[in-house]
Amino acid sequence: DVKVTQSSRYLVKRTGEKVFLECVQDMDHENMFWYRQDPGLGLRLIYFSYDVKMKEKGDIPEGYSVSREKKERFSLILESASTNQTSMYLCASSSRLAGGVSGDNEQFFGPGTRLTVL
Amino acid sequence: GEDVEQSLFLSVREGDSSVINCTYTDSSSTYLYWYKQEPGAGLQLLTYIFSNMDMKQDQRLTVLLNKKDKHLSLRIADTQTGDSAIYFCAEFLNRDDKIIFGKGTRLHILP
Repeated sequence: DVKVTQSSRYLVKRTGEKVFLECVQDMDHENMFWYRQDPGLGLRLIYFSYDVKMKEKGDIPEGYSVSREKKERFSLILESASTNQTSMYLCASSSRLAGGVSGDNEQFFGPGTRLTVL
Repeated sequence: GEDVEQSLFLSVREGDSSVINCTYTDSSSTYLYWYKQEPGAGLQLLTYIFSNMDMKQDQRLTVLLNKKDKHLSLRIADTQTGDSAIYFCAEFLNRDDKIIFGKGTRLHILP
């Protein structure tokens, strides 16, 4: 069974704290993603990684950084949490498409981490 | 209901072909579109197809329409780094005079 797990379902932090959100997948996927989901705004991509130690900015990278030291693990880091980072954070993974073959690019999502910054 | 669905992400190697798929629900759509959005830029109309056609080719772009399955695809041949963007599928609903967009597929070109 395909599995993407996130370290916490709920997290409460204070403004200015450093926050680590961990994501692990067991499908040997090359691609991993961090999104945040806010009411009325849908899913917004923060960062993604297409290989170990490789990362690229998504649409809203400001205030976040990421780390991909191992293929199965992708961490999202909030260096100094702020109240506007209160959100649902979703991790996803997908296999890489070699040759642009469609049909294999399905993303598998974790259960989400609801982060509240006080 | 009206809905346009497409995958969120696609990664391909430079030089390979990219195929971005889209499904729509409203059979009364008259036009179907592909838009491209590059980082920091607005939407740019790439190509469109009328609903009575099943294929349209324009240089490196090929659009295929399967009206029976309500499936639209965009094939980009010989994908280049400049093709890196978010691609939006959209349908024009004649009866409502409005365009419904999908959420966009981010095309990532592997280095």
